[in-house]
Amino acid sequence: QQQVKQSPQSLIVQKGGISIINCAYENTAFDYFPWYQQFPGKGPALLIAIRPDVSEKKEGRFTISFNKSAKQFSLHIMDSQPGDSATYFCAASFGGNTPLVFGKGTRLSVIA
Amino acid sequence: DTGVSQDPRHKITKRGQNVTFRCDPISEHNRLYWYRQTLGQGPEFLTYFQNEAQLEKSRLLSDRFSAERPKGSFSTLEIQRTEQGDSAMYLCASSYEGGRTDTQYFGPGTRLTVL
Repeated sequence: QQQVKQSPQSLIVQKGGISIINCAYENTAFDYFPWYQQFPGKGPALLIAIRPDVSEKKEGRFTISFNKSAKQFSLHIMDSQPGDSATYFCAASFGGNTPLVFGKGTRLSVIA
Repeated sequence: DTGVSQDPRHKITKRGQNVTFRCDPISEHNRLYWYRQTLGQGPEFLTYFQNEAQLEKSRLLSDRFSAERPKGSFSTLEIQRTEQGDSAMYLCASSYEGGRTDTQYFGPGTRLTVL
């Protein structure tokens, strides 16, 4: 049973474009939703996270949109750059300091 | 740099051998997590600690796997009688429970290859 479903599996975006990655979750008790970025050979690094009491959070070029009723959240990367090319994972947990349940990842390629 | 460190970074072993990995968390972090990541997949939770106490083990963690955090600082993950299906990246993360942030910081991982 996959508790966090992520799409698309891969994404190609032109430099300067908007990258959008979507996640859906099943367990309504989840209350912490982070996005992680992972480069080859490295561990995941936190990009941005949100809790269900807000519908949107923005940090620089990265925005999380959260829809509690639909049990969905998405990552938007504005003005995508080649350096953003990486694998992105959404995750969910019962509070931030508990085990994370990850999606399967989206491999993003930003082409010039 | 005082991030999460893991040792070794790579380990190649033969089926049936035992292996042990070490994780050193960020120094003030009281929670430590182990995850396993296979190619093309997201990390999967294995177990986690609050100081030296093991709080939870995933059903993924067979009896061949054991983890400890004896003094509430570094942690070790041992796999006995390795199988080819154990080949994966083993990731360690740490966080501070009771602080202002919920962030789990990940180490670079130990890549295990079982021949």
